[in-house]
Amino acid sequence: NAGVTQTPKFQVLKTGQSMTLQCAQDMNHEYMSWYRQDPGMGLRLIHYSVGAGITDQGEVPNGYNVSRSTTEDFPLRLLSAAPSQTSVYFCASSYDLASGETQYFGPGTRLLVL
Amino acid sequence: AQKVTQAQTEISVVEKEDVTLDCVYETRDTTYYLFWYKQPPSGELVFLIRRNSFDEQNEISGRYSWNFQKSTSSFNFTITASQVVDSAVYFCALSESQGAQKLVFGQGTRLTINP
Repeated sequence: NAGVTQTPKFQVLKTGQSMTLQCAQDMNHEYMSWYRQDPGMGLRLIHYSVGAGITDQGEVPNGYNVSRSTTEDFPLRLLSAAPSQTSVYFCASSYDLASGETQYFGPGTRLLVL
Repeated sequence: AQKVTQAQTEISVVEKEDVTLDCVYETRDTTYYLFWYKQPPSGELVFLIRRNSFDEQNEISGRYSWNFQKSTSSFNFTITASQVVDSAVYFCALSESQGAQKLVFGQGTRLTINP
């Protein structure tokens, strides 16, 4: 099992560019989510999905889009990058968060927007 | 609304000292789950423990122990005889069984163990 994988590990963008952060899991987890981590603010939820075809907004969704066409993949799209989106992004997955199943995290993607 | 507070931003101790990391939470749900994660300097998030709201038994795992008290809405984490390898940022988190499925994190406590 590879667990939760994320690509790329590090990315530099210019303001206004678009990109997709990839996330995949091979544990057949229904629940997947994206967080951003900023200094002094912990991890904040961007978007989440409780299954293929179902997504919902988290605490800080503005500037990000997601889709869930398969159980395994949950990409995060930045349509027009802004310096405020400079952060470390984590993808996570679990069987069922509502029943308290543990979320497992990917290694993270460090994004710098100039 | 869910909320997790880790009031200690940074803690620094000398190796072999005991240290307690505080976590206070807020929730209206009667069924909820509490977690602790460790983030070492390498950056990944490592799961340490999960506890549900109906299980108030304290748990011990080697040098780690957790004290869950519903009366004070706290879920504190103690490291006994700390080691340099314990240096990391530690996060407390909360999820509820009702409403939006999300894991809410505290701000984290940066623990430094000095040799």
